[in-house]
Formats: sequence, structure tokens, C-alpha cells
Amino acid sequence: EIVLTQSPGTLSLSPGERATLSCRASQSVSSNYLAWYQQKPGQAPRLLIYGASSRATGIPDRFSGSGSGTDFTLSISRLEPEDFAVYYCQQYGSSPGTFGQGTKVEIK
Amino acid sequence: QVQLQESGPGLVKPSETLSLTCTVSGGSISTYYWSWIRQPAGKGLEWIGRIYSSGSTNYNPSLKSRVTMSVDTSKNQFSLKLTSVTAADTAGYYCARSRSAAGYGGFDYWGQGTLVTVSS
Repeated sequence: EIVLTQSPGTLSLSPGERATLSCRASQSVSSNYLAWYQQKPGQAPRLLIYGASSRATGIPDRFSGSGSGTDFTLSISRLEPEDFAVYYCQQYGSSPGTFGQGTKVEIK
Repeated sequence: QVQLQESGPGLVKPSETLSLTCTVSGGSISTYYWSWIRQPAGKGLEWIGRIYSSGSTNYNPSLKSRVTMSVDTSKNQFSLKLTSVTAADTAGYYCARSRSAAGYGGFDYWGQGTLVTVSS
């Protein structure tokens, strides 16, 4: 199975700053079938990005995804207070679909 | 607006079978893939498996020997059974829908999750 490694484990930033999260795959992700999710405490994950770079319905344009092959990035251009959460990447190009271990974006 | 709701016992004894049902409302269960995903407290997400509305299934090899999924289109529900549970199966269990009818695109709709504790 494909192992996804996210970095950093924790990102400490202030509102208004830019966040850059990394997701590295142990092998190439087929057709760039990679998604990003946001999860807040006590809530289910929320789909942000699919296909590595397509925003899901209703997701603000401050969220953007990029990358291909084995290296992917989620960027949040200007952090809003509601963006402080845990973010997971997931590949769905090879079965079983796998998730990264998560990056926590916390308020500095 | 599609909504998913998990239901089932919150406490299961070791060696017994965990059984959960996900009820889909606001849309048809037909022509989509439906998954179960779990998350131990404070940890990451694990995909358990998925079922299509026709009943075809794909399971995570790490759990395949213990997992069975089924679908009841007349009730707009699908279900999970996990046998021979241990404390390692204690987790929040989510049901979710694949964004595209072909089964790709990530999971766009999720249930709120239900905590299942394995303990005697």
C-alpha cells in the first residue's frame, strides 16, 4: 500500500499568515488521485481538495492544492481563525486508499 | 443535501462482532460508492472498505478477513460487520460517500461518526 508522510507534524502560525503543508507518497499516486481534508475536534473530516488541485464545492479560494507524482502541497493563502485544525491528505488511486498521519495547524 | 447517520452499539465485548448501519437521507444510495472509515482517539484515519449500490465490495487487506459490508437500497442504508474485535478496534467509525459515481474524488459527505469501544 502507498504510505503518505505529512510534514510538518505541527505548524504554528498567526491569523493572516500563509500555511504550506506537505504530503509525500512512498510511490507515485495514480492519476494524481490525491485529496486533502480538514478536521476540527469532534467533527468529521471535510473534503477540501480532490484530484490534487480541484477545490471541493463551497471551499474558499484561499485553499489551493498542487503537486504530482509523489509530492503534494496544500496551501492556505491567509489563515482565518476557522482554519486552525488538523489536515489530512489521502490517496485514492491505489487500493487500499490511505491517509497521511495529519498536520496540525495551531495558533501561534 | 445528502446526510449520513451512523447507528449501532457503542460498546462491544472482545471477540464479538461490531455491527454498524449508515442511513443515507437527502439523496439516493444508488450509483455511488459508500465507505467506512475509522479513527482511534487522537490518531489518524483508516479506510476500512467500500460498497457499491449493486453490492460489490472492496476491503482493506489489513481487515479483509474480519469485514463484511452489505447494502439495502430499499432502506437507503449500508452496513458494516467486523468480527472478532479487540481493544485495537476501539475507534470512531465514520460512513462516507465517494465524491464521484466512479468511486474517485475523495469523500464529500460524511456521517458525524460514532464511537465504538471494545471492552468487557
